[in-house]
Amino acid sequence: KAGVTQTPRYLIKTRGQQVTLSCSPISGHRSVSWYQQTPGQGLQFLFEYFSETQRNKGNFPGRFSGRQFSNSRSEMNVSTLELGDSALYLCASSTGPTGGDTQYFGPGTRLTVL
Amino acid sequence: KNEVEQSPQNLTAQEGEFITINCSYSVGISALHWLQQHPGGGIVSLFMLSSGKKKHGRLIATINIQEKHSSLHITASHPRDSAVYICADNTGNQFYFGTGTSLTVIP
Repeated sequence: KAGVTQTPRYLIKTRGQQVTLSCSPISGHRSVSWYQQTPGQGLQFLFEYFSETQRNKGNFPGRFSGRQFSNSRSEMNVSTLELGDSALYLCASSTGPTGGDTQYFGPGTRLTVL
Repeated sequence: KNEVEQSPQNLTAQEGEFITINCSYSVGISALHWLQQHPGGGIVSLFMLSSGKKKHGRLIATINIQEKHSSLHITASHPRDSAVYICADNTGNQFYFGTGTSLTVIP
């Protein structure tokens, strides 16, 4: 089975721009979660989608949004980029809702905001 | 808010040593996850547990619900075990992460 894939793997943007990151879960997985990892804050939960519905959202501003499609693929969007948004963005998929199932992580998208 | 604390932050061991990494959390949990992150960023889920003990190869994870504490043990450590180990507490359908333990195993 193919693993979780994320595109693009690397991205450079400038302040004020917006960005869309994509995550394709393992086939059959219906839950996708997104995380931000920075050297200062470590790993932080962004949001979780299950069967196209956002189940939970972490403590991030409204500039961070996401969605899940009927094939379980998910996208996250960050608008009006700030320097502090530079981070590794990871997604993970699982068969059931997050927490009750093993999470399978993608390789991440490294976003640099200049 | 759930606070998840890990210790130690950094750990250097000789090959073959027994290693213990500790994780404490402040709120009751649905499940406690142990993750391994290698240089380059890839994360692998090692264990998910809500009670007792689990073993996979040379890795053992235990959890004490009453004390809100979990440990990850590595027996007969090997240089390929060098990585950052992160515990994550799933509470209220959200994940709260520890800051990670950076392990280096020297041949």
